Amino acid sequence: QKEVEQNSGPLSVPEGAIASLNCTYSDRGSQSFFWYRQYSGKSPELIMFIYSNGDKEDGRFTAQLNKASQYVSLLIRDSQPSDSATYLCAVNNSNYQLIWGAGTKLIIKP
Amino acid sequence: NAGVMQNPRHLVRRRGQEARLRCSPMKGHSHVYWYRQLPEEGLKFMVYLQKENIIDESGMPKERFSAEFPKEGPSILRIQQVVRGDSAAYFCASSPRHDTQYFGPGTRLTVL
Repeated sequence: QKEVEQNSGPLSVPEGAIASLNCTYSDRGSQSFFWYRQYSGKSPELIMFIYSNGDKEDGRFTAQLNKASQYVSLLIRDSQPSDSATYLCAVNNSNYQLIWGAGTKLIIKP
Repeated sequence: NAGVMQNPRHLVRRRGQEARLRCSPMKGHSHVYWYRQLPEEGLKFMVYLQKENIIDESGMPKERFSAEFPKEGPSILRIQQVVRGDSAAYFCASSPRHDTQYFGPGTRLTVL
């Protein structure tokens, strides 16, 4: 059973719209949640982390965490073609190791 | 402050040869993780090391693969007697604690 689930996509969003990426996890003891972006042929790049329930904003990015429902999401406002990438969700489990989702491929259409 | 460094960036080996991949973590980071990624697939965890210790090698194939993180010098991922199926991108990440991970640029291994 997978511990971190993401829709593989591709998720297609028009330029300028809000892209919403979702991730669910199974370990209720998880404390830290991360979003990474990976462009094709490149390494993953950390874009957001969140520890507490609620929203955390950083520029055009907002991470949302709901521990009761065991999901974490990433919103990208004013989507740009340069946001087209695979977005990886990672969750710190009870053993303090990162468990990775398979990633959601996001395509921003001009 | 230099990021995570990996070398070589590209490595070509013939079947049966050995491949050595190096990873220098960010300054002050004592936790190192190795991942493998096949084209169009997700990250696969291989091994988690701290200085001189292997903490978790549950993702590492039992044969031909080994990893070390010596007291001095970079972490090394070693693949003996490579086969075509070993062709992949190998990423190293480092962390100051056992959570937030910062990735190096990766080594692309091609086995002919």
